[in-house]
Amino acid sequence: KQEVTQIPAALSVPEGENLVLNCSFTDSAIYNLQWFRQDPGKGLTSLLLIQSSQREQTSGRLNASLDKSSGRSTLYIAASQPGDSATYLCAVRPGDKLIFGTGTRLQVFP
Amino acid sequence: DTEVTQTPKHLVMGMTNKKSLKCEQHMGHRAMYWYKQKAKKPPELMFVYSYEKLSINESVPSRFSPECPNSSLLNLHLHALQPEDSALYLCASSQGLQARDSYGYTFGSGTRLTVV
Repeated sequence: KQEVTQIPAALSVPEGENLVLNCSFTDSAIYNLQWFRQDPGKGLTSLLLIQSSQREQTSGRLNASLDKSSGRSTLYIAASQPGDSATYLCAVRPGDKLIFGTGTRLQVFP
Repeated sequence: DTEVTQTPKHLVMGMTNKKSLKCEQHMGHRAMYWYKQKAKKPPELMFVYSYEKLSINESVPSRFSPECPNSSLLNLHLHALQPEDSALYLCASSQGLQARDSYGYTFGSGTRLTVV
C-alpha cells in the first residue's frame, strides 16, 4: 500500500528564508507527483507537476525535485514571504488515484 | 476556462435533509473525482468517474450518491447524513484516467458541509 509522508509537519520561519519541504513515498511505481498549496478552509491550488521521467520542475520561486528510485521529492521555496503561509501537500499518482501526503503547515512571519 | 467550480461554498443541513453538491468544469477533462477532507487531514478519495461512468467507489456509505449527468458536471447527492460527515468536500478533474497518462489534477475550492 502506497504511503506518503511529509516532513516537517509544521514550520514557522521569518520572511526571506529559503525553505525545504520534504515528501517521501513507499512505492516508487508512480506516474507523477504533484505539489499543492491549500489555504485554510479553501481548495487545493496546484503548484508543480513532475512526471515520473523528470527530475525537477520550476515555477518562479518554487523548485520541486523528484528522486523516484529513493521515493523522495523536495519542494524548495526561495526567499519566503508571508503570503507563502499555507499548508503544502504532495500527492503521488500510482494509477487511477491521487494519494496525498500528510502535509506541511507553513507560517512565514514578517 | 481552467477552473473547477463548486457550489454551494457552504452548506448546513439537518440529518433528515436531502441536499446536493455540484461540480462543473469546462476544460474537456474526462475524469472527475470527489474527495472528502476533515480538519487538519489530507483529502481522501470518495469516487472517481471516467467518461461519465463510475470507475471507483472507495466503500463510501450509501447516504452519499454520486451522479455524472454529462462530461462537464458532477453531483454528489446527500441524504440522512451524520454529524461526523461534516467536512470540506472537494471536486477535482483530470484529462484522463489511463494508466499511461500523466496528467495533473485541478481542484475546486470546495463545499464546507456542516451536518447538525
